[in-house]
Order: sequence, then structure tokens, then C-alpha cells
Amino acid sequence: GNSVTQMEGPVTLSEEAFLTINCTYTATGYPSLFWYVQYPGEGLQLLLKATKADDKGSNKGFEATYRKETTSFHLEKGSVQVSDSAVYFCAIGGSQGNLIFGKGTKLSVKP
Amino acid sequence: DTEVTQTPKHLVMGMTNKKSLKCEQHMGHRAMYWYKQKAKKPPELMFVYSYEKLSINESVPSRFSPECPNSSLLNLHLHALQPEDSALYLCASSQVPLAGREQYFGPGTRLTVT
Repeated sequence: GNSVTQMEGPVTLSEEAFLTINCTYTATGYPSLFWYVQYPGEGLQLLLKATKADDKGSNKGFEATYRKETTSFHLEKGSVQVSDSAVYFCAIGGSQGNLIFGKGTKLSVKP
Repeated sequence: DTEVTQTPKHLVMGMTNKKSLKCEQHMGHRAMYWYKQKAKKPPELMFVYSYEKLSINESVPSRFSPECPNSSLLNLHLHALQPEDSALYLCASSQVPLAGREQYFGPGTRLTVT
């Protein structure tokens, strides 16, 4: 079945640093890929998605490109803020409309 | 509006209690989901409702009983839970139960079983 592997962290950065969180996937077919963010004490929010190869999802300064040749969907942001501190989950669509999540990466941004 | 609401926000229950979690969405979505999330772990799928019918049960113990009274509402009935069932229970919905559709999550109910 489909699965994702993401770097587990935790990742600690200074404000305005560049962020990369790696995510690779294993899948049959061409599933959609997602990044979700979970702020402390809250549910998950959809951050961005991509539905086919070479698609770039973007939102709030975050970007990720669906790379079929490397089976990757790495999350990037050019300049992180303290308010970006959260747990980030890479996810892949399952065959029945469900989501399969990576283990999550905790990001802490220091002022 | 992409809001999924869940009540209650917090719940403490004893092992002999019966309680229910409620989830509601008014986006016209026809797929609804229950996930369980333990601390520092990703959400794990429990149930999927597709057009108000249970389509996936991920081998969840019978002490968890889902119900979908209509297309906007999803309940999770709890009975005789164990302390290890303490977790954040998340509800989500998507437009249709097809691969590739994004899911919208509620804020969750934090359950503590004593």
C-alpha cells in the first residue's frame, strides 16, 4: 500500500532561516500528496497539496513540488517565523479516500 | 467555509461510563472520518463514512461505535473504554470519498479515561 517517510526532527531554527522538511513516498499509481500542519492543542490544517507530477503546492510562503522521479514532496519555506512553530505532517492519499500520514516533524523557531 | 466542529473539546470519563463525541460539518461533504491521535504520533484512521454508510472500519474495538445520523453529523459512542484509549479524537470530512481529495479536520476532542 501507499506510505510516506518524513524526517522526524525535531527541527530547531532561528527566525528568518530557510526550512526544508523532507518527505518521500511509496505508492502505486499517482496519488495526491499533502502537507498538514498541527499547532499546539489544535487539529490538523491543510497547508498545501499537489495532485500530479511537477505540480507545486504553495500557501503562506510554504512550497512543495511533486517529484515523481525522486518520489519526493519536500516542504520548503524561505524565511520562517516564530508563528510557524508546529508539527508538520506529510500525507498521501489512500485508495479509499483516506489519508496516510508520515510520523510528523516538530518545528521550533526561535526569535 | 471549511469548518468542521467537534464537541466536547475535552472529556474525562471513567471506564464504566458511556459518552459520545459529536462532529458536524456544513460543507455538503459526503465523506466523514474518525481518527485517533496519541501524543507525538500521527493520526490513525478509525472509521470512514461514505454517503452516510460505514465503508471502512480499521479493526477498531467494539467499545467504539460510530454513527452517521445524516450527511452533516458524525458521532462516536464510547463505552467501557480503557486508559490506553486516552487520546485526541479527530473528525474530518472531504467532498467525496475518492482518493486525492483533501480532508478538513476539526479541532478534536481530547479524551482522558480514568
